[in-house]
Amino acid sequence: GENVEQHPSTLSVQEGDSAVIKCTYSDSASNYFPWYKQELGKRPQLIIDIRSNVGEKKDQRIAVTLNKTAKHFSLHITETQPEDSAVYFCAANPGGTASKLTFGTGTRLQVTL
Amino acid sequence: KAGVTQTPRYLIKTRGQQVTLSCSPISGHRSVSWYQQTPGQGLQFLFEYFSETQRNKGNFPGRFSGRQFSNSRSEMNVSTLELGDSALYLCASSPGTGGFNEQFFGPGTRLTVL
Repeated sequence: GENVEQHPSTLSVQEGDSAVIKCTYSDSASNYFPWYKQELGKRPQLIIDIRSNVGEKKDQRIAVTLNKTAKHFSLHITETQPEDSAVYFCAANPGGTASKLTFGTGTRLQVTL
Repeated sequence: KAGVTQTPRYLIKTRGQQVTLSCSPISGHRSVSWYQQTPGQGLQFLFEYFSETQRNKGNFPGRFSGRQFSNSRSEMNVSTLELGDSALYLCASSPGTGGFNEQFFGPGTRLTVL
């Protein structure tokens, strides 16, 4: 089955710096790669996603890149702010399924003042 | 539109009991997926229902089951509870057609098994 690995498990950056989180996946049939942000005690919320026909997608301070050949994708957050502090999960849809996601183990991002 | 709702929000059960959790998707969404979230295993896919049929299944034992009603509301049931079943159970809804669409998560049901 699909295996999604995520690094690092924790990340501490100073406000204004950039943060990068990396994920690799194993199933070459996966074609949808979302990133979720989960604040303490809250539900996961989608912050950005990318499909396999695109190499990069950007939304304000957040960007995601995808390398299908190497089977890895990354989340980039620029100009980090304290409210970016949360756990971030990457995911992939094994077999290209329409509604099943395999998640990475999460990255706890701490943005310090 | 109202978001995904789950009831109850908290549950405490003892080993051997069974439990039923409920999820109401966003209006118009026909797909409901269930996930188990634990500190050790992260978010793991349980199963997905679409138009009252189980369309995808994860690697959980048969003690975990679910169903979906004609109004797309879904329930999951866990029988013969074990301590290891303590977790946050999240459901997520999506339209379910036309390729992968964003999954919207509910607030979760926190189950504690004593």
